[in-house]
Amino acid sequence: DQQVKQNSPSLSVQEGRISILNCDYTNSMFDYFLWYKKYPAEGPTFLISISSIKDKNEDGRFTVFLNKSAKHLSLHIVPSQPGDSAVYFCAASGSNSGYALNFGKGTSLLVTP
Amino acid sequence: DTEVTQTPKHLVMGMTNKKSLKCEQHMGHRAMYWYKQKAKKPPELMFVYSYEKLSINESVPSRFSPECPNSSLLNLHLHALQPEDSALYLCASSLPGGFNEQYFGPGTRLTVT
Repeated sequence: DQQVKQNSPSLSVQEGRISILNCDYTNSMFDYFLWYKKYPAEGPTFLISISSIKDKNEDGRFTVFLNKSAKHLSLHIVPSQPGDSAVYFCAASGSNSGYALNFGKGTSLLVTP
Repeated sequence: DTEVTQTPKHLVMGMTNKKSLKCEQHMGHRAMYWYKQKAKKPPELMFVYSYEKLSINESVPSRFSPECPNSSLLNLHLHALQPEDSALYLCASSLPGGFNEQYFGPGTRLTVT
């Protein structure tokens, strides 16, 4: 049962434009949400997180938005750069699962020059 | 230093072999995790250690045996594996409790022949 869903397997964006990656979750007990970036044959790299008491968190070019009522979060990358091309995983955790991460299936982002 | 190291990078083993995967971190994290990732799938949680004690075992077969000798080290002992166990095995660590990001190692690519 997939509790974290990323419905877009891939996304292509031009360099300099905004990339928007979306994520939905079903478990209302999740209270901490994270985005990871992953290159092939490497471990996921932590990008940015947000707790359920906030609706926005910003770190440089990366901003995560959380809509708790819709059980939806999104990652905005502005401006997008070719080096951002990777697979992005949304993850969620909560106290009822010992704060272990539940991952979505990932979205492959391609930023073209 | 946000580095988690894993050895070996690659491992090929037969179904009758016994081998071990190793993970190390020096960030003072007291929670450590093993995940398994198959191609084009998200990481799946296997085990969680909190303060060197096993706190979560996600119904993993007994041919996988975790061990946490101290707060910096995490091992995964492998015995009598099946070809379908071939995957990328990821170790992660974090501060214990909620609202803490997990830092991942580069993974061990395991092939069972």
